[in-house]
Amino acid sequence: QVQLVESGGGVVQPGTSLRLSCAASGFTFSDYGIHWVRQAPGKGLEWVAVISSDGNNKYYGDSLKGRFTISRDNSRNTLYLQMNSLRTDDTALYYCARAGGTSAYYGIDYWGQGTLVSVSS
Amino acid sequence: QSVLTQPPSASGSPGQRVTISCSGSSPNIGSYTVNWYQQFPGMAPKLLMYSDDQRPSGVPDRVSGSKSGTSASLAISGLQSEDEADYYCAAWDASLNGWVFGGGTKLTVL
Repeated sequence: QVQLVESGGGVVQPGTSLRLSCAASGFTFSDYGIHWVRQAPGKGLEWVAVISSDGNNKYYGDSLKGRFTISRDNSRNTLYLQMNSLRTDDTALYYCARAGGTSAYYGIDYWGQGTLVSVSS
Repeated sequence: QSVLTQPPSASGSPGQRVTISCSGSSPNIGSYTVNWYQQFPGMAPKLLMYSDDQRPSGVPDRVSGSKSGTSASLAISGLQSEDEADYYCAAWDASLNGWVFGGGTKLTVL
């Protein structure tokens, strides 16, 4: 079955960096685009970024451009999210989620359980 | 403020039918299909409807989706206590070049 396991979250200070990882299994990773979605405590879902199956196309949420970078290693079945210049409002549960097809235009069909990022001084 | 607008709450009694709306605009719902997600407290979201009106396997047929113009709707008939959850719509937005979610609707079964 499809499994997505996020890791790398933690408590960090404002202005620092953090890299999240998402290990995928149960499907052919290189055949699917993958999304990052976050959810601040008690708030709704906010789309963060998506990367196509071959890694050539990447799109980001408006408020995140320039600070976050999505990437993938198809040889390791792993997705990454590099987060720089973190702010307190980046505090959230970060979900890795599979797209329904190869491109970024496919919506999410499976979700991981999330990894918590807390930005606090 | 979300690009896709949902009512913050909805409610119904067991057995009733409830509808949740998702209002967008031409670059998103008006041009692309809509997905719906269900989320229980403390859990990851789950795909409930895709391509406007297609149910993934395992989703009962008392759950249905529709779209007209720049608005989409999720309907749940024969409401059950286990339907109490948060519901989100999502679509690609061509002007933002990214995905957008609705703000979410909390469904309460009275």
